[in-house]
Amino acid sequence: KNQVEQSPQSLIILEGKNCTLQCNYTVSPFSNLRWYKQDTGRGPVSLTIMTFSENTKSNGRYTATLDADTKQSSLHITASQLSDSASYICVVSAKTGANNLFFGTGTRLTVIP
Amino acid sequence: NAGVTQTPKFQVLKTGQSMTLQCAQDMNHNSMYWYRQDPGMGLRLIYYSASEGTTDKGEVPNGYNVSRLNKREFSLRLESAAPSQTSVYFCASRPVGGASNEQFFGPGTRLTVL
Repeated sequence: KNQVEQSPQSLIILEGKNCTLQCNYTVSPFSNLRWYKQDTGRGPVSLTIMTFSENTKSNGRYTATLDADTKQSSLHITASQLSDSASYICVVSAKTGANNLFFGTGTRLTVIP
Repeated sequence: NAGVTQTPKFQVLKTGQSMTLQCAQDMNHNSMYWYRQDPGMGLRLIYYSASEGTTDKGEVPNGYNVSRLNKREFSLRLESAAPSQTSVYFCASRPVGGASNEQFFGPGTRLTVL
């Protein structure tokens, strides 16, 4: 069964600290993995995409990793800011199927001053 | 470009009432989606339309109907609202083909059914 699991469910960190969010998946055949950021009261917005051949990709203070062998991805946030407070959703695409997107339930990150 | 727009932003219904949530995109995307988002459950797919003229059920279609009016518009109808349909509803679109397949989401409709 195609599934995406994220951990932790929620996280509170101090401003300026780093954190890492995890995403494990069983989606097959794997196409790509996206991390979305969802601010409160808004729709999700894509942060980064990881394809099978990519191990690490950075987008400013956000760094995503992918281990296709263990089917794990992480999103590392460096020097957190109050504006990083949001939900982070992992979405995995399969290569086949009309509806080929599988969503994690998200990690709710709160950055406090 | 406005991207994906949804109306209304907020709605309160009484049990048994009907309503239609509207969604439009101006990015010439082929595929459109309706999701509901509930606390602790993430985004769950209600219906999707892979292309103009086609619609298919997602994970939680019961109690809903959809219409792909044209390439731009995809509406979601609740024929007889129930309290269990209290949720935030998101419409999304994405192009077909290419490696990215990024979904673009609307701002959401917050629906309360009393």
